[in-house]
Amino acid sequence: SQQGEEDPQALSIQEGENATMNCSYKTSINNLQWYRQNSGRGLVHLILIRSNEREKHSGRLRVTLDTSKKSSSLLITASRAADTASYFCATATTSGTYKYIFGTGTRLKVLA
Amino acid sequence: DADVTQTPRNRITKTGKRIMLECSQTKGHDRMYWYRQDPGLGLRLIYYSFDVKDINKGEISDGYSVSRQAQAKFSLSLESAIPNQTALYFCATSDWDGQPQYFGAGTRLSVL
Repeated sequence: SQQGEEDPQALSIQEGENATMNCSYKTSINNLQWYRQNSGRGLVHLILIRSNEREKHSGRLRVTLDTSKKSSSLLITASRAADTASYFCATATTSGTYKYIFGTGTRLKVLA
Repeated sequence: DADVTQTPRNRITKTGKRIMLECSQTKGHDRMYWYRQDPGLGLRLIYYSFDVKDINKGEISDGYSVSRQAQAKFSLSLESAIPNQTALYFCATSDWDGQPQYFGAGTRLSVL
């Protein structure tokens, strides 16, 4: 079963607005990563946050992690039409053999 | 040239046929992964390999097999394709446990 679940499943905003998407997971993790996927293309890594970190920034991206609630959020500020894509969280876990578990994704549409 | 190359990009085949999807990488990474993506289900892990001699089943390995021919090459085979294996398949690499993954552009497979 999927460990990560993103919320909302789909989001539509105007260019210039901020976009927030959330990810919940079930087990202890070593880190959590966010990826972007343009339609039908491969996933591209955006940012990694370790389990002992609470917040991380990269350009217009801000990621928070709350391990007590087993949740993370990705904020994209001042969105652009080019940010239109699906966004996935992935947890890296050592529960058993080390592997990644991806969520079901949030489809973001930024309207020009 | 792409760091992770998948061939073919698109394939249509018939039920019962054997098919191989190939992946090669120039990242120099030891770890390689095969995922399938279905609409609304995110990515699910099929097989992963930590080096040439270490191959492991993922979440949904039934009906699939893999071969790690070299550090740079990891192939996925469907021995007898069935329609519910119609999906988008991705190969990915990482250089260490829990580190960001690098994805190929994907293979869109249709089984008729």
